[in-house]
This record gives sequence, structure tokens and C-alpha cells, in this order.
Amino acid sequence: ETVLTQSPATLSLSPGERATLSCRASQSVSSSLGWYQQKPGQAPRLLIYDTSNRATGIPARFTGSGSGTDFTLTISGLEPEDFAVYYCQQRGSWPRTFGQGTKVEFK
Amino acid sequence: EVQLVESGGGLVKPGGSLRLSCEASGLTFSDAWMSWARQVPGKGLQWIGRIKSKTNGGTAEYAAPKEGKFIISRDDSKNMMYLQLNSLQIEDTAVYFCTTDDWRWDYWGQGTLVTVSP
Repeated sequence: ETVLTQSPATLSLSPGERATLSCRASQSVSSSLGWYQQKPGQAPRLLIYDTSNRATGIPARFTGSGSGTDFTLTISGLEPEDFAVYYCQQRGSWPRTFGQGTKVEFK
Repeated sequence: EVQLVESGGGLVKPGGSLRLSCEASGLTFSDAWMSWARQVPGKGLQWIGRIKSKTNGGTAEYAAPKEGKFIISRDDSKNMMYLQLNSLQIEDTAVYFCTTDDWRWDYWGQGTLVTVSP
């Protein structure tokens, strides 16, 4: 099973700042890596798929990059609605797995 | 508009069983590959498994096959997917989500809570 390790566990930032979230895979997942945002009491929402493709309706401030085992989600200029938990998920190896999450909180 | 609505959650005793349902609308369900995931309250997400469309064999695949623990099925005539949960343990307490299984059309239901308690 491919283990996804997200860092940091918590990111304390202010609106307008840049957020950089990391997801490292225990083995290569090629480019099959996605990012989800989840707010309390809600289902996850897909932001990025296949490393760098924004899902429908996702603002351009969300950018994904990386390949193989190291991936990054960048939020350039945090908006108040971006404070949430972010999960990466890989679909490059079986079974699919999620990272443990990074919480982006108000500083 | 695509909607996925889970139902069937509730309180069950350890060792018990439960069948969850997922009703889909707004999509050609018979063509859709579908998945189940779960989330222990306050914790992360865990992918359970998926079921292919009938035209692709209609087979279910699981993250961690445990004999009969999770059984995913579908009824395309009703636009429904099911998750049979057997031999439930306290650690199976979670919100169970149904999702489409294609990042290009990624939809999630609101989830249904399963609580396993003596």
C-alpha cells in the first residue's frame, strides 16, 4: 500500500498569505495525485487532479505540482473560505490511499 | 445537477451488519464507476472500494479485502449503489460517503453516520 505523508500537519497563516502544502508518497504514483478540501460537516471537494489539473470551478489561486513521489499544493493568496483541511489522494497504485491531512488555520 | 444521497446509517452493536444505500441522480448511472469512502469523526479519509460499470464487468474491488467485511453492489435499474457492512466493530464507527469514481466528474454525497456501540 502506498503511504501518503502530508506536511505540515497544521499551517497557521493569515488571509492573503501563500500556503504551500506537501504530500510525499512512499512509492511512485506517477502523476495520479489529487487534492481535496474539506470543511467541517461537509464532504470533501476535489480541487486538483492528476497533479496539476484544476477541477471544474476551482479558482486559479489553487495550483498543483510535482511528480513521482513529491507533490505540492500551493494556494496563492489565502481567502477566508480557504481555511480548511486539505487531503491528498493517490490513484497511481492499488489500493487508493489518502494522506492524513493538513489543516490550514487562521494565524 | 448530480446528486448522491446516502442512507441506511445508524446505531448497531458490535458483530452486527448494516446495508448502506447511495441513490444517484443527474448522471447516467449505468455508465458510472462508483466508490465508497469513510471518515472516522475528527480523523482522515479512508477509501473502501469501488464498483465498475456493468459494461466494464460490474465487478467490485476493495482496498483491503477482508472476507465478506465490505460488499459493494449496484442496481442500475434504480440508480442505486449499496455497501453491505458485516462483522462491524467499534472502529468501524465513521461517516460513510459514496462518490463517483472519476476525477473528471468527482461528486460526493453528504455521508451517512454508522455508529457501532454495545
